[in-house]
Amino acid sequence: DVKVTQSSRYLVKRTGEKVFLECVQDMDHENMFWYRQDPGLGLRLIYFSYDVKMKEKGDIPEGYSVSREKKERFSLILESASTNQTSMYLCASSFSGTRSPLHFGNGTRLTVT
Amino acid sequence: GNSVTQMEGPVTLSEEAFLTINCTYTATGYPSLFWYVQYPGEGLQLLLKATKADDKGSNKGFEATYRKETTSFHLEKGSVQVSDSAVYFCALMVSGAGSYQLTFGKGTKLSVIP
Repeated sequence: DVKVTQSSRYLVKRTGEKVFLECVQDMDHENMFWYRQDPGLGLRLIYFSYDVKMKEKGDIPEGYSVSREKKERFSLILESASTNQTSMYLCASSFSGTRSPLHFGNGTRLTVT
Repeated sequence: GNSVTQMEGPVTLSEEAFLTINCTYTATGYPSLFWYVQYPGEGLQLLLKATKADDKGSNKGFEATYRKETTSFHLEKGSVQVSDSAVYFCALMVSGAGSYQLTFGKGTKLSVIP
């Protein structure tokens, strides 16, 4: 079974802190994704990567950056956390085929106070 | 652009009732269609998929048929159980220029009561 592991289930950070959310997948997937999930807004894509060191902006990249130094790991970085970044963050991965489904981690619930 | 519209929730059903969750889409290309399920406290899991017109995806008693003429992919189950209580997301994927993004609907919360 594909495993996508997010390093933290819950995080509480203060406004202005730099925050790292880590995601690791064990299936040699080329593609990796970061989404945030908010009530009434569904899932929105922040960034994705289709290869090591490659990244593409999603629908809501402002206030975020990403890093993919190794194929299995995709990090989401909040350079200076703000309260409007309080959310559930979901990492996903997939093969590069056009019909390949995404496999999701269990999510990180981030609270910024 | 691409978009997915699914019925607003929450939906509350009694055990063994018939379930339909409507999903329609607009897409710039020829999409693959997916249903994902999110159980409380967990991430999303793929429930079923269909990659071309008239395909029927099925899993765990759930079914959905890819209807190109009506741009729909409605989710159905003949007899729901309490364990089906979850949030269901319809999604599409249209590839192009190296991009394999999923576009999600906003989700429909299903509660099944004994």
